[in-house]
Amino acid sequence: AQSVAQPEDQVNVAEGNPLTVKCTYSVSGNPYLFWYVQYPNRGLQFLLKYITGDNLVKGSYGFEAEFNKSQTSFHLKKPSALVSDSALYFCAVRDRDNFNKFYFGSGTKLNVKP
Amino acid sequence: DSGVTQTPKHLITATGQRVTLRCSPRSGDLSVYWYQQSLDQGLQFLIQYYNGEERAKGNILERFSAQQFPDLHSELNLSSLELGDSALYFCASSAKMSSGDTQYFGPGTRLTVL
Repeated sequence: AQSVAQPEDQVNVAEGNPLTVKCTYSVSGNPYLFWYVQYPNRGLQFLLKYITGDNLVKGSYGFEAEFNKSQTSFHLKKPSALVSDSALYFCAVRDRDNFNKFYFGSGTKLNVKP
Repeated sequence: DSGVTQTPKHLITATGQRVTLRCSPRSGDLSVYWYQQSLDQGLQFLIQYYNGEERAKGNILERFSAQQFPDLHSELNLSSLELGDSALYFCASSAKMSSGDTQYFGPGTRLTVL
């Protein structure tokens, strides 16, 4: 069973519009959840994480994500997209009940058009 | 620049050969992680070391091994290489061994097996 799912291979949005990149997970217990961004020919950069506490997490570059335990989701959002946000976005989960294994989603390519 | 360095940047070798990838974590970070990113498998967690000891294990093949040295740099050894091992190999580091630690990724080593 896939531990992390990013149902959209690609998301297209116009500059200035809000964006959402979806992520759902299927690990048990209380996972740690992360979002990373990858620009072409670069390593991954950390955006934000949910460990505990407030379900709405704010991160770098104006991104935020909401942890929803009942829907097992951790969608990434931004109120107003920039062309420079165009990149590959990865959701990741750390399964604390399974030897701390780390699982990444398949990635979602975000295209922001001017 | 994340502060994590990886060498070499590119590596081209033949099937059946053995290679060693090297990673230097950010100054002060005690944990090192290794990942494989390929087109068909996506981003896969291989293994984590903390202060020289193995901490978590992912989908690492038996042909692959890693270690972390007293100076905290890490090496990933890949042996009996197959065409399917061609991928981008990332190293990441974090300050401690906590499951919720933010990981900082290096630029990666691109391995091509011919």
